[in-house]
Amino acid sequence: QVQLVESGGGVVQPGGSLRLSCAASGFNFNGHGMHWVRQAPGKGLEWVALIWYDGSYKYTADSVTGRFTISRDNSKNTVSLQMTSLRVEDTAVYYCVRDEDGSGSPTNGMDVWGQGTTVTVS
Amino acid sequence: SYELTQPSSVSVSPGQTATITCSGDKLEDKYVCWYQQRPGQSPLLVISEDSKRPSGIPERFSGSNSGNTATLTIRETQAVDEGDYYCQARDRKKVIFGGGTKLTVL
Repeated sequence: QVQLVESGGGVVQPGGSLRLSCAASGFNFNGHGMHWVRQAPGKGLEWVALIWYDGSYKYTADSVTGRFTISRDNSKNTVSLQMTSLRVEDTAVYYCVRDEDGSGSPTNGMDVWGQGTTVTVS
Repeated sequence: SYELTQPSSVSVSPGQTATITCSGDKLEDKYVCWYQQRPGQSPLLVISEDSKRPSGIPERFSGSNSGNTATLTIRETQAVDEGDYYCQARDRKKVIFGGGTKLTVL
């Protein structure tokens, strides 16, 4: 079945770094853009980053630009989020999410979500 | 930066129609998606491209987008529909979420 499984969350001190990974299965990974979306405790959803199906384009939210980097390895069906200079306000559950197609079209929804991995900056 | 505004909460009686709004400047020029998040679960796409229902989403769920407001309508609301609902749009390659609406069925 279609599945996204995140890993790499944990507790880190402010200023530290962490790398999240997401393993995809059950679908043609090469054909889809991938996002990271986060949710702080008791708060709403916040988009973090998008990478196109082939990795050619990457976009990040203003709140993380310059600190977070999204990447993918289509040979391993994985997408990653490298997080540096972490702040207390980065504490959240981080979801790996599939875009409906490859290039983040304005019409697309985010149609598959992982269970999330928790990052605590303290 | 572009913003989407939702009411913080909406209440509805079982069997009635729930309406959740999402407001943004000239929102009709963008495509809006809606997500349902039940307590303790990951979000679920319930409406894409303003009004399209993904496979498996009941026909009770519908969406529209006109002017500055997009609307999610849930007919014949059931207890299972309780949760948080988020609207989402894209602006200059960035993705924006509304603040979320807590739907209570009572």
